[in-house]
Amino acid sequence: DGGITQSPKYLFRKEGQNVTLSCEQNLNHDAMYWYRQDPGQGLRLIYYSQIVNDFQKGDIAEGYSVSREKKESFPLTVTSAQKNPTAFYLCASSIRTGDLTDTQYFGPGTRLTVL
Amino acid sequence: GEDVEQSLFLSVREGDSSVINCTYTDSSSTYLYWYKQEPGAGLQLLTYIFSNMDMKQDQRLTVLLNKKDKHLSLRIADTQTGDSAIYFCAESITGGSYIPTFGRGTSLIVHP
Repeated sequence: DGGITQSPKYLFRKEGQNVTLSCEQNLNHDAMYWYRQDPGQGLRLIYYSQIVNDFQKGDIAEGYSVSREKKESFPLTVTSAQKNPTAFYLCASSIRTGDLTDTQYFGPGTRLTVL
Repeated sequence: GEDVEQSLFLSVREGDSSVINCTYTDSSSTYLYWYKQEPGAGLQLLTYIFSNMDMKQDQRLTVLLNKKDKHLSLRIADTQTGDSAIYFCAESITGGSYIPTFGRGTSLIVHP
């Protein structure tokens, strides 16, 4: 089955620690995205990548970092510099950006709680 | 600029129709999307409509687009308890990266 997987589903972190969220896709999509979702808020774009070894900041990139060493994988690191990291994190992928017909497909999400 | 607005809550009785509304501000919108999010899950694409269309129907779902008023609606016929979820409206615009801008989501509550 083709799809997007995120792990872990739940993650707990102590203040001051970095943590990495995993996102893998086997859809052969070029583009991948990370969003943050807070209660009552829409999705806010953290980072996106259109191609391997390239990525761009979204609207709320501060305190986060990413890498794109493989087409299938786009891990997100939440650093200790992120002031309010407790949230639901969603990964998405699409065939490519910059195309009228491009549609995003989402993973199941990771809920991060900072203790 | 891009801005997508939705009301936050909608409550309907099982078997009735639900209508979820969305307004957007950018007249260059090209594609408009409806996504469904069940509790604790990711977003599932329900349907989308191209800006040169007025209506799109897919089984119980009907999407209406009023470009003059920049208004998009999603009608769910014969609403069931399994339809309880958050519904997100999103738009992508011509000339940009085509990354969608999402509304805050409408929580649909279906009661017996």
